[in-house]
Amino acid sequence: GNSVTQMEGPVTLSEEAFLTINCTYTATGYPSLFWYVQYPGEGLQLLLKATKADDKGSNKGFEATYRKETTSFHLEKGSVQVSDSAVYFCALSTLMDSNYQLIWGAGTKLIIKP
Amino acid sequence: DGGITQSPKYLFRKEGQNVTLSCEQNLNHDAMYWYRQDPGQGLRLIYYSQIVNDFQKGDIAEGYSVSREKKESFPLTVTSAQKNPTAFYLCASSPGHPRSYSNQPQHFGDGTRLSIL
Repeated sequence: GNSVTQMEGPVTLSEEAFLTINCTYTATGYPSLFWYVQYPGEGLQLLLKATKADDKGSNKGFEATYRKETTSFHLEKGSVQVSDSAVYFCALSTLMDSNYQLIWGAGTKLIIKP
Repeated sequence: DGGITQSPKYLFRKEGQNVTLSCEQNLNHDAMYWYRQDPGQGLRLIYYSQIVNDFQKGDIAEGYSVSREKKESFPLTVTSAQKNPTAFYLCASSPGHPRSYSNQPQHFGDGTRLSIL
């Protein structure tokens, strides 16, 4: 079946460090892939997306490349800030019962220390 | 500003009581969703609706009910049959019909935190 696997958290980094949060997926067909961010006590916000193989999504210094050969969509940022502390969710869009649904990873908590 | 409004932000339920969580959107989106989030876990789909007067069960619909009488509104009732309702509930919407737009992101409200008294 379709699934999304994210690296377990929490991930703790110092400010200005390089960030990678791994996300791999299992899906039939050609899903669209998304990264969402959730700040404490809030809902989820779309961070970036990619809709086909080799697409690179980017936003706010974050990037992720849709790698079909490795079924991955790893999130990266070159220099993190304290304000990036949040929970990050990877998700894929898949056709289920004739409707497109999002399949979610478990989330990765990111803690950035000053 | 367009967006999704969930209310209340915090809600307490007594044993045997039904409670209703409100979700309103002014994004003119056709599809709406309810998710449950437990601490340290991902999102689980409770119900979704593609169009007014139509909705489908998600993965964990037992103990919950919904209605979709208006395009902009998708209230969720947590019934007394839901024995473990303590969680963070998130409402979301997306544009167009779900069958047509696989790359359309979902937009989320700020959530309602439900606890048992």
